Amino acid sequence: DAGITQSPRYKITETGRQVTLMCHQTWSHSYMFWYRQDLGHGLRLIYYSAAADITDKGEVPDGYVVSRSKTENFPLTLESATRSQTSVYFCASSDGGRGEQYFGPGTRLTVT
Amino acid sequence: GENVEQHPSTLSVQEGDSAVIKCTYSDSASNYFPWYKQELGKRPQLIIDIRSNVGEKKDQRIAVTLNKTAKHFSLHITETQPEDSAVYFCAASNRQGAQKLVFGQGTRLTINP
Repeated sequence: DAGITQSPRYKITETGRQVTLMCHQTWSHSYMFWYRQDLGHGLRLIYYSAAADITDKGEVPDGYVVSRSKTENFPLTLESATRSQTSVYFCASSDGGRGEQYFGPGTRLTVT
Repeated sequence: GENVEQHPSTLSVQEGDSAVIKCTYSDSASNYFPWYKQELGKRPQLIIDIRSNVGEKKDQRIAVTLNKTAKHFSLHITETQPEDSAVYFCAASNRQGAQKLVFGQGTRLTINP
């Protein structure tokens, strides 16, 4: 489980601020994903990446930006945070073979 | 796109009894169906998965069944134990390309001693 980490684990920010959530994996997995988890909605895909420099939108991409310059890192940026973006954010990675996604420990973000 | 519905949202069973959680999916192209367990405050972890060329798969006390015609799949936990208490998520994906998972809404399972 130490193979995929997220930082920070907890973050409180104000409406309108930019905030970046970091995700790092040591397995050299090609696929990486960002999800948000909210009560009653399960896990919803925000963005995903099939390889370095290849990213694409998921179900709920509005208000988020991603980049992937290196295989091991997949940061998620909220350009102007809103209260509706208060959530728990999970990063995940997959080698694309068996299909299993491995989740990071999550970041609890509160937007005040 | 794919839509996954999961029922029930909460489930309470006596220790030692069986628990069943059901999911339906909409996209006939989906061919990979994992189940994740999430304990309170922890990350989701894969407990079992099934591919569309298989109708049933077992791993000790847990099993998953798949009915492709009806587009539904189920998680069965037998001889439940207190450590089975958690939130369970089903998911579906088309394993072509990025293997994006679409998750159900989750089932909170409580095992009563």
